[in-house]
Amino acid sequence: EPEVTQTPSHQVTQMGQEVILRCVPISNHLYFYWYRQILGQKVEFLVSFYNNEISEKSEIFDDQFSVERPDGSNFTLKIRSTKLEDSAMYFCASSGSRAGEKLFFGSGTQLSVL
Amino acid sequence: GNSVTQMEGPVTLSEEAFLTINCTYTATGYPSLFWYVQYPGEGLQLLLKATKADDKGSNKGFEATYRKETTSFHLEKGSVQVSDSAVYFCALIQNTDKLIFGTGTRLQVFP
Repeated sequence: EPEVTQTPSHQVTQMGQEVILRCVPISNHLYFYWYRQILGQKVEFLVSFYNNEISEKSEIFDDQFSVERPDGSNFTLKIRSTKLEDSAMYFCASSGSRAGEKLFFGSGTQLSVL
Repeated sequence: GNSVTQMEGPVTLSEEAFLTINCTYTATGYPSLFWYVQYPGEGLQLLLKATKADDKGSNKGFEATYRKETTSFHLEKGSVQVSDSAVYFCALIQNTDKLIFGTGTRLQVFP
């Protein structure tokens, strides 16, 4: 079965540093998402992306966050200046149609901000 | 706003035991409801879904019925296996692109 690939699986960074989390969605999918889960809390929606632009974002997704699909295969999440509270598991997902049909999730990147 | 509440884990069972993981939701109108599963080292996978009241989603021996009167979508399986050990997430979606998840319930099945 096709799968969404995320790299790295673990990322450790210092507070204030920039990080880029990478995702390779399933090749014929059109809708892309980032979610995150802080330890012990709910999985939270961050952003959805379609047709090379953000279609929806949560209040978490402030000016420190950005997403990009630089080359037609990768989908990245950038955090410009990381904070301690950004430590979480970040999940990328893709879908061939709008969410509610079937999202395919990656296995996640565990981000630790020290 | 919309939200999902599911029972805290871990749920620990012996093989062939009956499983129930409770999930209730808060929403205006009629959301679609989902159960996702995350096996160790893997991403979340859609397990089953229901899109309207009284629908029953089922897959791999798991079932959940959309109960509007109790705003619930409890996950059940008659006889669990060790391979069912995973984290199970209840979720909903309504008129938007974003899934709203519960906190997840870890299931541990021992032989």
